[in-house]
Amino acid sequence: EAGVAQSPRYKIIEKRQSVAFWCNPISGHATLYWYQQILGQGPKLLIQFQNNGVVDDSQLPKDRFSAERLKGVDSTLKIQPAKLEDSAVYLCASSLSFPPSRPNQPQHFGDGTRLSIL
Amino acid sequence: SQQGEEDPQALSIQEGENATMNCSYKTSINNLQWYRQNSGRGLVHLILIRSNEREKHSGRLRVTLDTSKKSSSLLITASRAADTASYFCATDGYIFGTGTRLKVLA
Repeated sequence: EAGVAQSPRYKIIEKRQSVAFWCNPISGHATLYWYQQILGQGPKLLIQFQNNGVVDDSQLPKDRFSAERLKGVDSTLKIQPAKLEDSAVYLCASSLSFPPSRPNQPQHFGDGTRLSIL
Repeated sequence: SQQGEEDPQALSIQEGENATMNCSYKTSINNLQWYRQNSGRGLVHLILIRSNEREKHSGRLRVTLDTSKKSSSLLITASRAADTASYFCATDGYIFGTGTRLKVLA
């Protein structure tokens, strides 16, 4: 099966500019996640979608970050305006939908977008 | 905030040796998962262990879980150069630890 696709692979922008990342999950995966991974750290969840509804966005800096998943398939994550501390790899992951009796299905990750802020 | 902390932060071993890394977490969990990340790539799921399980095996991987100590360990037996990567534990699916960087020398 095709994996999770992300683009672009790399992005360099200046602070205060805006940027958008795109993710196409594995076909049939209802749950989609966006993570921020700062160099040397583990991924930090930014937002989780179940189909096109938001399940958890408690760690999303909503003053500058936004995400949408129209039609419950592809998703975009936007940063506007970017700050220096946003330099990181942005990872998208997807998993099968799950009933409450079988939580936390394994996630399948894309290779991420490496964002550098100048 | 990060729930889990892996120990050690970095580990360097010879090919053929076993590698053990540990994960400690703070609050009760439903399950714990281990992932591998090669440099410049996304994470790959290795194994999931539920809170009512104590040990699980998958190929050369062995995972243990001690809920009373809030800790888990990942053992990779007979390591290979291709095992060189960062390894992360994740509690309840999406709260990742800080990672162990494993280097296997040929």
